Amino acid sequence: DAGVTQSPTHLIKTRGQQVTLRCSPKSGHDTVSWYQQALGQGPQFIFQYYEEEERQRGNFPDRFSGHQFPNYSSELNVNALLLGDSALYLCASSRPSGSYEQYFGPGTRLTVT
Amino acid sequence: AQSVAQPEDQVNVAEGNPLTVKCTYSVSGNPYLFWYVQYPNRGLQFLLKYITGDNLVKGSYGFEAEFNKSQTSFHLKKPSALVSDSALYFCAVRDLTGGFKTIFGAGTRLFVKA
Repeated sequence: DAGVTQSPTHLIKTRGQQVTLRCSPKSGHDTVSWYQQALGQGPQFIFQYYEEEERQRGNFPDRFSGHQFPNYSSELNVNALLLGDSALYLCASSRPSGSYEQYFGPGTRLTVT
Repeated sequence: AQSVAQPEDQVNVAEGNPLTVKCTYSVSGNPYLFWYVQYPNRGLQFLLKYITGDNLVKGSYGFEAEFNKSQTSFHLKKPSALVSDSALYFCAVRDLTGGFKTIFGAGTRLFVKA
């Protein structure tokens, strides 16, 4: 049973560029959340997708957007990259109602220069 | 607003000794509480959760945690630490009045010495 997968593993971008990160949830999971983990900090909630809709959003600017596809996979897009966007981006999936724990992918390490 | 505090940046313990990693939280409603572990260059791995019921919950790898409503705490414990337990531990809380987001603490690095 494949767990949560993310691609790419690492990414280097220049300020002002745009980036797309991808996530495939664990089999049987329909909900995908994205987190930003800066060095030395805990993960910060960006948003959650369910039924192809953004269900809730954290305190992140509109430069951060996402999408969920019918197969439950998801993308995170970040426009107009800033140096401060450098972080580990984690995708987490969870099962339909009744279980609240999340299963995390290995993350995408984004470096903005 | 929801918040989670992990007061210790690092906890050091000798192998075979009991360990405790502390966590306190603040939520408006009833909390759903979680512990996750992160190994180097990897994503977070779920350890255990408290939703309702018994205050002492047991999880993976011999870990357990005690929910204390009056002290708003959810400390992670293990009776006998292993060197392989050395990792970064995160406490997290979800409050349904806050919707679907989960708030994580800053993390506590556990170092188990042989």
